[in-house]
Amino acid sequence: DGGITQSPKYLFRKEGQNVTLSCEQNLNHDAMYWYRQDPGQGLRLIYYSQIVNDFQKGDIAEGYSVSREKKESFPLTVTSAQKNPTAFYLCASSTDSRETQYFGPGTRLLVL
Amino acid sequence: ILNVEQSPQSLHVQEGDSTNFTCSFPSSNFYALHWYRWETAKSPEALFVMTLNGDEKKKGRISATLNTKEGYSYLYIKGSQPEDSATYLCAPRNYGGSQGNLIFGKGTKLSVKP
Repeated sequence: DGGITQSPKYLFRKEGQNVTLSCEQNLNHDAMYWYRQDPGQGLRLIYYSQIVNDFQKGDIAEGYSVSREKKESFPLTVTSAQKNPTAFYLCASSTDSRETQYFGPGTRLLVL
Repeated sequence: ILNVEQSPQSLHVQEGDSTNFTCSFPSSNFYALHWYRWETAKSPEALFVMTLNGDEKKKGRISATLNTKEGYSYLYIKGSQPEDSATYLCAPRNYGGSQGNLIFGKGTKLSVKP
């Protein structure tokens, strides 16, 4: 089955801890994205990557980091610098940056 | 950053009712508008991509129109069914660079009662 997978479904972070959210796609898409959703807000772009080994900051990149070493994978690290990490995180991919984005099932991050 | 407004924020209708909601966005530098449906516990699903002024797209009982000159799009659902219950997101895109990224509205949450 072609699609986008995210893991884990739920993630708990302790104060001062870095955590990494996984996003994998087997759609052969060049572009990948990370969004954050908070209650009452639209999806906000954290980081995006138009091609392997390249990525750009989105609107709310502070406290996050990413890598794009493989076409299929775009992990997001929530660092200890992110003071309000509790949110729902969605990963998406598209054939290129202008085309329809396809979303994964999301990861909910909670702070202990 | 684009200012995208969706209205109403939520909507409750009876099965069989037809309904519509609005997405408003700045019309300058417009490139495309995307509509997504997001059902609870599922991933957002792409419904339409619209680019031209006057575009009208249809998928089953759902259709959408686009006015790029005045900066709005309408989504219509004819004869709503309980399975149409979802949050409907619109996301316009502008030309160029980081402005070419999708900017999502907060969505319209539709609940259809049997």
